[in-house]
Amino acid sequence: EPEVTQTPSHQVTQMGQEVILRCVPISNHLYFYWYRQILGQKVEFLVSFYNNEISEKSEIFDDQFSVERPDGSNFTLKIRSTKLEDSAMYFCASSKTLGSGYTFGSGTRLTVV
Amino acid sequence: QQQVKQSPQSLIVQKGGISIINCAYENTAFDYFPWYQQFPGKGPALLIAIRPDVSEKKEGRFTISFNKSAKQFSLHIMDSQPGDSATYFCAASTNAGKSTFGDGTTLTVKP
Repeated sequence: EPEVTQTPSHQVTQMGQEVILRCVPISNHLYFYWYRQILGQKVEFLVSFYNNEISEKSEIFDDQFSVERPDGSNFTLKIRSTKLEDSAMYFCASSKTLGSGYTFGSGTRLTVV
Repeated sequence: QQQVKQSPQSLIVQKGGISIINCAYENTAFDYFPWYQQFPGKGPALLIAIRPDVSEKKEGRFTISFNKSAKQFSLHIMDSQPGDSATYFCAASTNAGKSTFGDGTTLTVKP
């Protein structure tokens, strides 16, 4: 069964450092998303991406965040200057069509110290 | 108006019993209602989903009941098994694609 692959599985970074979280969505999917889940809490929407541009973003997705699809297969989330409160599981997801279910990756656990 | 309210927060069921998780929404623009199952250390996995033009959808032991007028939907797990122990999230999305998730329900099925 096709999978969404995320790397790394765990990243520890110092406050103020830049991090890049990587995702390889399912190859024939057209819509890409980043969500995050702070430990024990709900899954929160960050951003959606289609046709090489952001479709929608949440209030969480401020100027410190950016997304990119640099080469037609990878989909990355960059956090420019990490804060302690950015510590969370970050999930990449993709879907074939709008308004359909997502396939999520296994997530990257980001720990900011 | 974008919220999806999920209950209960946690649920303990005996093996073979029925697990029922409920969700309610406000935004009438939502037109797709998936349920996700999440095991520790894993991403949510799509379990079953429904659109508002039907009132019920069944896949194996999992059934979604949908009440459009009440703006509520629920997940029923029949013959619950210990392997069903996980966190379950309801979600709702519009045709713009973004999904809004409920807070999650931790289900424990006791053998």
